[in-house]
Amino acid sequence: AQTVTQSQPEMSVQEAETVTLSCTYDTSESNYYLFWYKQPPSRQMILVIRQEAYKQQNATENRFSVNFQKAAKSFSLKISDSQLGDTAMYFCAFMKLRAGANSKLTFGKGITLSVRP
Amino acid sequence: DAGVTQSPTHLIKTRGQQVTLRCSPISGHKSVSWYQQVLGQGPQFIFQYYEKEERGRGNFPDRFSARQFPNYSSELNVNALLLGDSALYLCASRTQGLAQETQYFGPGTRLLVL
Repeated sequence: AQTVTQSQPEMSVQEAETVTLSCTYDTSESNYYLFWYKQPPSRQMILVIRQEAYKQQNATENRFSVNFQKAAKSFSLKISDSQLGDTAMYFCAFMKLRAGANSKLTFGKGITLSVRP
Repeated sequence: DAGVTQSPTHLIKTRGQQVTLRCSPISGHKSVSWYQQVLGQGPQFIFQYYEKEERGRGNFPDRFSARQFPNYSSELNVNALLLGDSALYLCASRTQGLAQETQYFGPGTRLLVL
């Protein structure tokens, strides 16, 4: 079974600064996806970024980038130039990559990020 | 294009009652998954359906059931409600191709059991 651990329950960052959210996972799979989802107080779960485990290059999406360390089973999210709208709960999630298989997401407990004006 | 839609947005039930939650996936998506999110926690997987067949089931009791219709919409049913079933129920849809493995979530249904 897969597990996803987010050990920091809360973080705070000043607007325009950079913050890094940590995530570790445990799996015996070699092919999988990792995701960061954002859930603002309005509660809609929004995809932030996706990383395929077979790709060595770290994914980036505008101000969001990841540091994917496959051997260490670490998947951190860096938010640059933090904005007030980044205030939300952030979830790290894992999904096995196997044709036809159940594609369930395994989530961490989440981290609450507050961006201060 | 419209995203994943869910209804109702909020629901209040009493213990022992039954509830049905509904989900419509993004157009073209044939797979629907259901998750339960208790306040302050990450979502927990309940079911996945693809082409009207159950493809996966999480660690939930038999009081939880689901089905998928020919138009790929889905219903989640919970019988004999318990206080502990109070949660946000999320539906997610995705395309099936391996290169498109991303799940997109709906706004959720907030269920309160009294």
